[in-house]
Amino acid sequence: DTAVSQTPKYLVTQMGNDKSIKCEQNLGHDTMYWYKQDSKKFLKIMFSYNNKELIINETVPNRFSPKSPDKAHLNLHINSLELGDSAVYFCASSRDRGWGTQYFGPGTRLLVL
Amino acid sequence: GQQLNQSPQSMFIQEGEDVSMNCTSSSIFNTWLWYKQDPGEGPVLLIALYKAGELTSNGRLTAQFGITRKDSFLNISASIPSDVGIYFCAGPKIYGGSQGNLIFGKGTKLSVKP
Repeated sequence: DTAVSQTPKYLVTQMGNDKSIKCEQNLGHDTMYWYKQDSKKFLKIMFSYNNKELIINETVPNRFSPKSPDKAHLNLHINSLELGDSAVYFCASSRDRGWGTQYFGPGTRLLVL
Repeated sequence: GQQLNQSPQSMFIQEGEDVSMNCTSSSIFNTWLWYKQDPGEGPVLLIALYKAGELTSNGRLTAQFGITRKDSFLNISASIPSDVGIYFCAGPKIYGGSQGNLIFGKGTKLSVKP
């Protein structure tokens, strides 16, 4: 029943490790996003995919690589994790590109030690 | 670049009070969205505004799209404890006349004392 789901909900890892976060939406939307929310709750878009194609790539280190195997899934792989990567990562989806109503997942809380 | 400035940053109110918060920008937006984030959850859309001057209600919530297209406010009437959370305004960036990804304000954190 969940519209946008993310796994895992919590992720604690050591600096230098590689990790992935998965996102799935069952709304039939064409566009999916990754956002990062820092400790001050500031939400910033990282990536946007439309029909499996990358359409937005904000200034994000290339250690972050999104992958969309199909339009219902958008995964985020992070290489060589750094302390500053600790944040909450939200996946979202929308029917339209960017200005449509976006539905957010519950978030993945990443802590890098 | 386009930015959204929200105020106040935080509010502490008594249950039953009315709340008002706003969002301003130096740039024009064609769409204003208000989201609420409960603790430990993702943001949820409350109200979407698509036309300058538009006034829209959703239960105890009312939001307006400013005439200049550079501001919006959100009011909550008769607050209750479950109104606690962070309220974000958001709007799509405008690139050369067309709309792109959403940018978010920094949020207004609402605390309600029973």
